[in-house]
Amino acid sequence: AQSVTQLGSHVSVSEGALVLLRCNYSSSVPPYLFWYVQYPNQGLQLLLKYTSAATLVKGINGFEAEFKKSETSFHLTKPSAHMSDAAEYFCAVSDRGGSYIPTFGRGTSLIVHP
Amino acid sequence: EPEVTQTPSHQVTQMGQEVILHCVPISNHLYFYWYRQILGQKVEFLVSFYNNEISEKSEIFDDQFSVERPDGSNFTLKIRSTKLEDSAMYFCATTGQSSGANVLTFGAGSRLTVL
Repeated sequence: AQSVTQLGSHVSVSEGALVLLRCNYSSSVPPYLFWYVQYPNQGLQLLLKYTSAATLVKGINGFEAEFKKSETSFHLTKPSAHMSDAAEYFCAVSDRGGSYIPTFGRGTSLIVHP
Repeated sequence: EPEVTQTPSHQVTQMGQEVILHCVPISNHLYFYWYRQILGQKVEFLVSFYNNEISEKSEIFDDQFSVERPDGSNFTLKIRSTKLEDSAMYFCATTGQSSGANVLTFGAGSRLTVL
C-alpha cells in the first residue's frame, strides 16, 4: 500500500528565504510523485510531477523537487519565497501498476512573512 | 482554462439529514473521483467512477454514501444520513485517462458542516 507523510502542518518563512516542504513516501513499487498547491478558494492544482525521467523535477512558479529513492523522499523547494506563494501544498503518490488512485498527504500550509 | 465546478461551496446541515454535493467535471474527462479532508487530517480517497459505475472505493465509502451521474454532466456525492464525523471538505477531481502518471483536476471543494 502506498502512503505519504508530510512533515510539518505549517511552515513559516520570510519573503526571499528558502522554502523547503518535506514529503516522504512509501510504495511497494517505483512510484509516481506529485506536488499540488491550493490557493484560497481554489481547487488543488499541479505544481510538478515525477514520472521516472530526471530525478530533479522543475515545476511552475520556480518550485522544484528532487526524487531521492534512498531516502524515499520528494521534498519541494524554492530558492526565494514570494508573498504569493502562501498556500496549502499537498504531496501525492500513485503506483505504476494496480490502482492508479493517488494517495495524498495532509498538506502543509506555507506562511510567508514580509 | 477548463475547470471543475463544485456546489455548494459550504453547506451546514443537521445530523441525520441527507446531503448532495454537486460536481461538474471537465467536459472531455471520463474518470471522476471524490476525496475528503477532515480538518487537520489527510486528503482521503472516497470513490472513483468511470463509465457510469464505481471503479474503486475506500473503506470510508460505506452504505451511507452514493455517487451518480444523473444527467451525463453533473456528478454527485450523496450522504444519506449525515453524522458529525462527516464534517469535512469534499473535493471532486477528474482526469481524462487512467494512468498513475495522470494529473487530477480538482474543484475548489465543498465544505460540509454537520451540527
